[in-house]
Amino acid sequence: DVKVTQSSRYLVKRTGEKVFLECVQDMDHENMFWYRQDPGLGLRLIYFSYDVKMKEKGDIPEGYSVSREKKERFSLILESASTNQTSMYLCASSSEALHFGNGTRLTVT
Amino acid sequence: GENVEQHPSTLSVQEGDSAVIKCTYSDSASNYFPWYKQELGKRPQLIIDIRSNVGEKKDQRIAVTLNKTAKHFSLHITETQPEDSAVYFCAAGPNTGNQFYFGTGTSLTVIP
Repeated sequence: DVKVTQSSRYLVKRTGEKVFLECVQDMDHENMFWYRQDPGLGLRLIYFSYDVKMKEKGDIPEGYSVSREKKERFSLILESASTNQTSMYLCASSSEALHFGNGTRLTVT
Repeated sequence: GENVEQHPSTLSVQEGDSAVIKCTYSDSASNYFPWYKQELGKRPQLIIDIRSNVGEKKDQRIAVTLNKTAKHFSLHITETQPEDSAVYFCAAGPNTGNQFYFGTGTSLTVIP
């Protein structure tokens, strides 16, 4: 069974802090994704990666960056956290269908 | 890019009745359409998917239909049970494994 692990379930950060959200998958998938989930807006794609050191912008990349130094790990970085980035963040990997992690609920105060 | 619209946003049905959720998409290049179920506090999980060379697919009480000409696809749940209560998301993408565009979700409540 595919396992996608996000390092934190809940996170509280202050405005202006640099925030790292970590995601690891154990199925040797090429593709990894970061989504943001907000009520009434569904899941919106922030960034995705089809290979190590490769990244592509999704629909809402502003204020975020990513890093993929190893195939199994895909990190989402908030360079300077703002209150409008308070949200649920979901990492996923795929060979065919998406397999999601449990999510990180980030609160920026 | 792709635009996926999903209706209704909320749906309440009596236990045993059927539930139907509809989605439309805009990009004719999309040919893979998965459906995800997200229970409260849990991750979205794939429940069924359909590819564009197929018009209908069924898995026990769940079925999905696809009309490529009209660019819409639907999820049908028959004989609903309280454990079907969840948020359901449709999605569309060019191929399996690639980036998917999601609908805004339907919150289904099955009333015992």
